[in-house]
Amino acid sequence: DARVTQTPRHKVTEMGQEVTMRCQPILGHNTVFWYRQTMMQGLELLAYFRNRAPLDDSGMPKDRFSAEMPDATLATLKIQPSEPRDSAVYFCASGLMLATDTQYFGPGTRLTVL
Amino acid sequence: KNEVEQSPQNLTAQEGEFITINCSYSVGISALHWLQQHPGGGIVSLFMLSSGKKKHGRLIATINIQEKHSSLHITASHPRDSAVYICAVGSSGNQFYFGTGTSLTVIP
Repeated sequence: DARVTQTPRHKVTEMGQEVTMRCQPILGHNTVFWYRQTMMQGLELLAYFRNRAPLDDSGMPKDRFSAEMPDATLATLKIQPSEPRDSAVYFCASGLMLATDTQYFGPGTRLTVL
Repeated sequence: KNEVEQSPQNLTAQEGEFITINCSYSVGISALHWLQQHPGGGIVSLFMLSSGKKKHGRLIATINIQEKHSSLHITASHPRDSAVYICAVGSSGNQFYFGTGTSLTVIP
């Protein structure tokens, strides 16, 4: 049963600390998305990759957020330094195409920045 | 103005009722997605469609490209259908836009 995995599932940290969230896309999927969900803003697309190359990260605050795909089985989202307003659930999703394919979502990482 | 508008925001129905959730969008799209998010937080992709109609069990999704409108229908609703339903569009420019979601509660 192929699925997207994310670690950690929950993270509580203090303001100013670095946070790294990891995602393992479904094997064979060449497109990876990072989303953020908050009560106020709902779901927002932060960045997406195709064949490990970043295609768009315009949804990400550039000064503190960075997203990478070191290899085809791992995507990372880093926040440094973290701020309380970064508290949200971060979802990773993978698929085969950008806009025209079903996306498979991971369980999310619930981040709380104190 | 949001690129994707959903209605209603909240919906309460009796078990067995026929439910319709609407989504209107203002951008040119490659595809429209309906997502379901259960109270536990997990997100499931229900449908991806770019024309016509798709059916999966008790769920039906339709899209009218000319009117820039999609509907999600649930027949014979059940309490386990209680969730937030999110409409998302992938635009022609490979951008994604999300509706704010419709919170559905089905009462036994």
